Amino acid sequence: QSVLTQPPSASGTPGQRVTISCSGSSSNIGGNFVYWYQQLPGSAPSLLIYRNNHRPSGVPDRFSGSKSGTSASLAISELRSEDEASYYCAAWDVSLSVVLFGGGTKLTVL
Amino acid sequence: QVQLQESGPGLVKPSETLSLTCTVSGASVSRTTYYWGWIRQSPGKGLEWIGYIHYSGSTKYNPSLKSRVTISVDTSKNHFSLNLSSVTAADTAMYYCARVGSTIEFDFWGQGTLVTVSS
Repeated sequence: QSVLTQPPSASGTPGQRVTISCSGSSSNIGGNFVYWYQQLPGSAPSLLIYRNNHRPSGVPDRFSGSKSGTSASLAISELRSEDEASYYCAAWDVSLSVVLFGGGTKLTVL
Repeated sequence: QVQLQESGPGLVKPSETLSLTCTVSGASVSRTTYYWGWIRQSPGKGLEWIGYIHYSGSTKYNPSLKSRVTISVDTSKNHFSLNLSSVTAADTAMYYCARVGSTIEFDFWGQGTLVTVSS
């Protein structure tokens, strides 16, 4: 069981907006940056959001990140079929001295 | 464009040492801004951070693996390596190498290499 808690699954239809949550604690999300990674089927993960809410170049602005207290969220607007993937949150944990990943959320586009 | 490529045996026997190398192109492992790291993913499971290294030799390891892990860097070959000793079936996973940014973001990843631990 991951210290960063994500729902195992999420779904939406094309054009919809979906959000994926990531819940942690004061030793990780509460005091450090949150990152989001997208893993398309059969591929390596790729950086989607860094430092809570910044997008690397090439990531569409349909993807956005936010953080409040000890929780973070990834929002995907105008959902597309190619967004079907697993999404992982990550953060440094100062108590455990470890980079933590959430358990991942598998997004299905119906 | 930064590219990373993992290489090494796909099959390792229990109790032996898993050794992988990550060759970097399009960037220098000697650049002070970045670290270079390893992450693994057990079949059908989530991601687990293994550790990272700076070209200066400074390392940071996951405490759960620290006693068995060594990450090293070879600036002359522009690559870095992972050694994981005393492996068991629980170490069977896809192993990824990645560039690590200044705030511990993994901004470029290799395609991954599957390592199976079996006799």
